[in-house]
Amino acid sequence: DAGVIQSPRHEVTEMGQEVTLRCKPISGHNSLFWYRQTMMRGLELLIYFNNNVPIDDSGMPEDRFSAKMPNASFSTLKIQPSEPRDSAVYFCASSLRRQTNTGELFFGEGSRLTVL
Amino acid sequence: AQKITQTQPGMFVQEKEAVTLDCTYDTSDQSYGLFWYKQPSSGEMIFLIYQGSYDEQNATEGRYSLNFQKARKSANLVISASQLGDSAMYFCAMREAFTGTASKLTFGTGTRLQVTL
Repeated sequence: DAGVIQSPRHEVTEMGQEVTLRCKPISGHNSLFWYRQTMMRGLELLIYFNNNVPIDDSGMPEDRFSAKMPNASFSTLKIQPSEPRDSAVYFCASSLRRQTNTGELFFGEGSRLTVL
Repeated sequence: AQKITQTQPGMFVQEKEAVTLDCTYDTSDQSYGLFWYKQPSSGEMIFLIYQGSYDEQNATEGRYSLNFQKARKSANLVISASQLGDSAMYFCAMREAFTGTASKLTFGTGTRLQVTL
């Protein structure tokens, strides 16, 4: 079975450029999460969706960040314009949340973003 | 206030020994879930074990067990018979608002475990 698929795995860009990170969740999962990991701040939840609807975007740092989930099999996280402090590993995760399961998150391999 | 606290930034353990990684949490919810994830140097996040707040038995998964002490709000991970491949970062996480169709995980800062020969 395919896991959560993220692209690109690595991205190096210059300050001011637009960055788009992509995620394909596990088929059948109904929740999708975007996390950011840095040495200074650890793992931070940016936004999560349930059934393609954004539920909580309070973790999105500022207006430069936006996320969409146009259908159950695809999500994007966009940064425009990018800044050096956005350099981090961005994880996408999905889960199937039902009363009868633990609802653990399945993570993609991450997208390592470097903004010069 | 920190919802998940992992006070050990780094730990060493000898191969074949057992090790306990500490995790305390803070919540006013009665219903919640606690998770442990492993992040090896390759970077992926691997789910290890889960404990629900109403589970009476401590969770176990192979060499992993969770020492759940509800009154103390602690959920320590015990790894028995450590192996070199256990060297990694370990994260404790909590899901509050157990009911509902989607709820987020809040992660601790992690503990880096190094298994030595």
